[in-house]
Amino acid sequence: GAGVSQTPSNKVTEKGKYVELRCDPISGHTALYWYRQSLGQGPEFLIYFQGTGAADDSGLPNDRFFAVRPEGSVSTLKIQRTERGDSAVYLCASSPTSEPNSPLHFGNGTRLTVT
Amino acid sequence: AQSVTQPDIHITVSEGASLELRCNYSYGATPYLFWYVQSPGQGLQLLLKYFSGDTLVQGIKGFEAEFKRSQSSFNLRKPSVHWSDAAEYFCAVGASLYGNKLVFGAGTILRVKS
Repeated sequence: GAGVSQTPSNKVTEKGKYVELRCDPISGHTALYWYRQSLGQGPEFLIYFQGTGAADDSGLPNDRFFAVRPEGSVSTLKIQRTERGDSAVYLCASSPTSEPNSPLHFGNGTRLTVT
Repeated sequence: AQSVTQPDIHITVSEGASLELRCNYSYGATPYLFWYVQSPGQGLQLLLKYFSGDTLVQGIKGFEAEFKRSQSSFNLRKPSVHWSDAAEYFCAVGASLYGNKLVFGAGTILRVKS
């Protein structure tokens, strides 16, 4: 079956621009997670959704970052006024539930480069 | 707050040799522990996980890991490495208080020489 799909796979933008990153989770998965992976680092938690609501957004670095999941399926991570420090790979994962023993399925990520 | 330390940034082993990747965690309660593997251009794949019970857990691709509470460690092992195991390996810790939110280590890059 289809896995987690992230589009685009690569995004290059200029400093100060707005970007949207899309995540299509596995069908039926109620929990959806966004992580950010900077060069040479492990993934860092940003936000997770249970259904349509953001259950925990404590990892969002500042108010330039925002994410939505309006119908409980596809999610969009939005970054305003991008900065060079936002350059990273943004990973999306989904799981059947948000229980700790529910396995995370990761997408291949979107590589964002801010010039 | 939870944290994960992977002391080795790079490890090189010969094909057929044994492997041990180290992971130490910091967390006040009983942790949930995971090992993920990331190949170039691929998403993170779960190798194995520990929640409770037997402290030696078996995973996919012939990997195993042992939870040692006294050492706050969860080291990954494989008795005989194959060239296809070359990848980056991440240890992660989760906690029931935080849903399925994971804290990852910085990763260990495994190189396999023939």
